[in-house]
Amino acid sequence: GAVVSQHPSRVICKSGTSVKIECRSLDFQATTMFWYRQFPKQSLMLMATSNEGSKATYEQGVEKDKFLINHASLTLSTLTVTSAHPEDSSFYICSAKWGTSGGAGTDTQYFGPGTRLTVL
Amino acid sequence: AQSVTQLDSHVSVSEGTPVLLRCNYSSSYSPSLFWYVQHPNKGLQLLLKYTSAATLVKGINGFEAEFKKSETSFHLTKPSAHMSDAAEYFCVVIFKGYQKVTFGTGTKLQVIP
Repeated sequence: GAVVSQHPSRVICKSGTSVKIECRSLDFQATTMFWYRQFPKQSLMLMATSNEGSKATYEQGVEKDKFLINHASLTLSTLTVTSAHPEDSSFYICSAKWGTSGGAGTDTQYFGPGTRLTVL
Repeated sequence: AQSVTQLDSHVSVSEGTPVLLRCNYSSSYSPSLFWYVQHPNKGLQLLLKYTSAATLVKGINGFEAEFKKSETSFHLTKPSAHMSDAAEYFCVVIFKGYQKVTFGTGTKLQVIP
C-alpha cells in the first residue's frame, strides 16, 4: 500500500516553455502533498507543501509564480514549472501523506519515483 | 534549533559485513524519525520509522534502527550487507510541534564484492 506515482519520469524541454509534473497517490487519499527538488549529489530541498483544496505554502526562496502547484483532489497534485530555464533542470520528487498533523502514524511521507527535468 | 546530522557522507563495506549508518538530531521536541533509501535516479523508499513506540525498529530488507534519546541518535544497522544495498540513505526527522520535515545530507553506501 501507500504508492505514489509521478508522471512523466523524464522530460526534456526548450528554454521558455512550461512543464507540468503530476503526482498521484494510487491507493490512499493524500490530504497533504509535498514537492521537493534534488540537485546532483545533494539532499532533498522542500519547495512547497500543498493541502487539498487550498493554496500551497512555499518555502522561503521558492518563487510561487514560477513553480505553480495545484492540489485539486485528494489523489492528485501538479507542479508546473513556468518559463523553464536551464537552471531549473533538476530532479523533482513529490511525496504524500494522509491524516491530520499530530495523529499517530500520519507523519509518514510516501515518495514518488521522481521526475528528471532537463531544460535545454 | 532543530537539525539532523548524518555523520558520514560515504560508507564503504564489504559484502557480508555489518552496516552502520549514523544519524544524530538536535531538538527539544520529541521527534518522529525515518530512514529512507534512494537508488540512482529513483524516488525515496521508506525503510523504517520510529514514532514513539518501541525504541528498536525493524524495517525492510533486514535493516533496523535504534532510537536512543539520551544520545539523540537513530543509527541504521544491518548485520550483513548485500550488493543491492548500495544506495543513498537519508535520515529524516519530523520535529513534533513544528511538523517540519528535515532531511539529513545523506550517506552513500558502497558495497564491495
